Amino acid sequence: EIVLTQSPGTLSLSPGERATLSCRASQSVSSSYLAWYQQKPGQAPRLLIYGASSRATGIPDRFSGSGSGTDFTLTISRLEPEDFAVYYCQQYGSSPGVTFGPGTKVDIK
Amino acid sequence: EVQLVQSGAEVKKPGESLKISCKGSGYSFTSYWIGWVRQMPGKGLEWMGIIYPGDSDTRYSPSFQGQVTISADKSISTAYLQWSSLKASDTAMYYCARLQYSSSSAVDYWGQGTLVTVSS
Repeated sequence: EIVLTQSPGTLSLSPGERATLSCRASQSVSSSYLAWYQQKPGQAPRLLIYGASSRATGIPDRFSGSGSGTDFTLTISRLEPEDFAVYYCQQYGSSPGVTFGPGTKVDIK
Repeated sequence: EVQLVQSGAEVKKPGESLKISCKGSGYSFTSYWIGWVRQMPGKGLEWMGIIYPGDSDTRYSPSFQGQVTISADKSISTAYLQWSSLKASDTAMYYCARLQYSSSSAVDYWGQGTLVTVSS
């Protein structure tokens, strides 16, 4: 099973600042089958990025994904008030052994 | 509009059985894999397994194999997650989710979640 580690656990930033979230895999993620989701309290997760770098439908371009192999990054170029949430990475290249990272909470400084 | 609508919250006792549902609409239900995801209180997301409603091909995450049963009734565009004997540790929010393209895809649509509480 591929284990995903996310860092930092919590990121405290102000609106307008840049957020850089990391996701590291215990082994290479095949064909960049790596996704990022945003989850707000009391809500289902929402897909932001798939294939490591492709934005999902309707996702603002301030969200971008990069990386390959075992190291991936989600960048939010300028934080908006609605971006404060928990972010999860997911690898889906080894179905059914799909795994999620533990999440990074982005909160207001 | 694609929608996944899940059944309502449940409160059960340990040892009881349970089946929760997820009804898809706004797309061809038989053409997309449906997955189930567990989120225990205050915790992260866990992948449980997937089903292809077109032919009921089902695949379980190793952690959930033998613990739950995933099924689907394509005639009513509904997927199910069931337990034969609940434990307190099954208390969680359960989400159904549509996979984008194939069995190895990200999730592009989520249900609203079904909260299952197991307590004596």
